[in-house]
Amino acid sequence: DQQVKQNSPSLSVQEGRISILNCDYTNSMFDYFLWYKKYPAEGPTFLISISSIKDKNEDGRFTVFLNKSAKHLSLHIVPSQPGDSAVYFCAAKASNAGGTSYGKLTFGQGTILTVHP
Amino acid sequence: GAGVSQSPSNKVTEKGKDVELRCDPISGHTALYWYRQSLGQGLEFLIYFQGNSAPDKSGLPSDRFSAERTGGSVSTLTIQRTQQEDSAVYLCASSLTGGYEKLFFGSGTQLSVL
Repeated sequence: DQQVKQNSPSLSVQEGRISILNCDYTNSMFDYFLWYKKYPAEGPTFLISISSIKDKNEDGRFTVFLNKSAKHLSLHIVPSQPGDSAVYFCAAKASNAGGTSYGKLTFGQGTILTVHP
Repeated sequence: GAGVSQSPSNKVTEKGKDVELRCDPISGHTALYWYRQSLGQGLEFLIYFQGNSAPDKSGLPSDRFSAERTGGSVSTLTIQRTQQEDSAVYLCASSLTGGYEKLFFGSGTQLSVL
């Protein structure tokens, strides 16, 4: 049961253009979302997060949009740079039955982004 | 240390052997997670430790897998009687409280079972 889905295995964009990476989820209890970037032979590194009380969060070239009704989030990178070429994972966390936020992050399958010079 | 440290970085073993993978989380982080990434796949949750609470073992794929966290710090993931399908990158992560916050990942252990 894949609760977090990244349906595009890969994305190719030109340097300077916008990259849009998409993520869908099925668990309505998810209330905190994160994006990670991963280079080969390295661990994932955190990019940006968003709480379910917001619909947008920006950090420099990175913006995450959350559409709760559609259970969809997206990561926008503007402008894209060749150094952004990596695998991007979205992840989600749910409040647990005890009402706390403790618990695992559920990750999607990842999208390979290639930014061409 | 400055970040999450994992050892070894690479491990090649023969089918049927036991292996131990080690994780040193960031000092002071109370939450520790193990994930694995098989070739071409996403990050698969294995186990989660939160302070002194009972760990969430719901992601362990079989009883050949176990993990412990000693003294609330270092964690060891043990795989008994390894199989070829266990070949993957095993990633450890830690976070300060385990709440609404980012995880810091180590570089992983590449496990190859021949």
